[in-house]
Amino acid sequence: AQSVTQLGSHVSVSEGALVLLRCNYSSSVPPYLFWYVQYPNQGLQLLLKYTTGATLVKGINGFEAEFKKSETSFHLTKPSAHMSDAAEYFCAVTLTGNQFYFGTGTSLTVIP
Amino acid sequence: EAGVAQSPRYKIIEKRQSVAFWCNPISGHATLYWYQQILGQGPKLLIQFQNNGVVDDSQLPKDRFSAERLKGVDSTLKIQPAKLEDSAVYLCASSLRPGTNTEAFFGQGTRLTVV
Repeated sequence: AQSVTQLGSHVSVSEGALVLLRCNYSSSVPPYLFWYVQYPNQGLQLLLKYTTGATLVKGINGFEAEFKKSETSFHLTKPSAHMSDAAEYFCAVTLTGNQFYFGTGTSLTVIP
Repeated sequence: EAGVAQSPRYKIIEKRQSVAFWCNPISGHATLYWYQQILGQGPKLLIQFQNNGVVDDSQLPKDRFSAERLKGVDSTLKIQPAKLEDSAVYLCASSLRPGTNTEAFFGQGTRLTVV
């Protein structure tokens, strides 16, 4: 069975600082990995995804993530945080594209 | 392009009552998902439709939850009778087809409170 673990339910960064949100996965076969963002009272929006190919994936709003098989990780980063980045972030894994397994989420606070 | 529409946005009911949620996916999207998101947790898939057929309902509590997608477009999710632990946000999502190269678009969700 596959699953994801998001380390840190709450992360605070200063505006302009590096954003690092951690995600580790568990899967018996190479998975497909996703990051979603959820703003208050909104649905989830896809930030980026890794399926095959290049392990460094670039997404919307300046976010990127790197698939590291040796570390079973798919951490999300952004070089410089903006106030508008404050939201809940979810990592998700799937093997087939049907059943997605989401992490418990990381709430990002950006301090002005 | 219109997004995934859900209604109502909020619902408060007493335990043992019944409730229904409605979802209108993006036009042309064959795949429709219902997720349950309990406060502090990630979304959990309840049921997936491909057109009007069920692909996966392994995590749907079938003794109280039911869902249908007649004509392969709109969908309704029903809970009868509701329990306190059903309090959650119910998210509907749709995609052109299942698969990792197709993005799932989410609606704003229906926040259910069972008292």
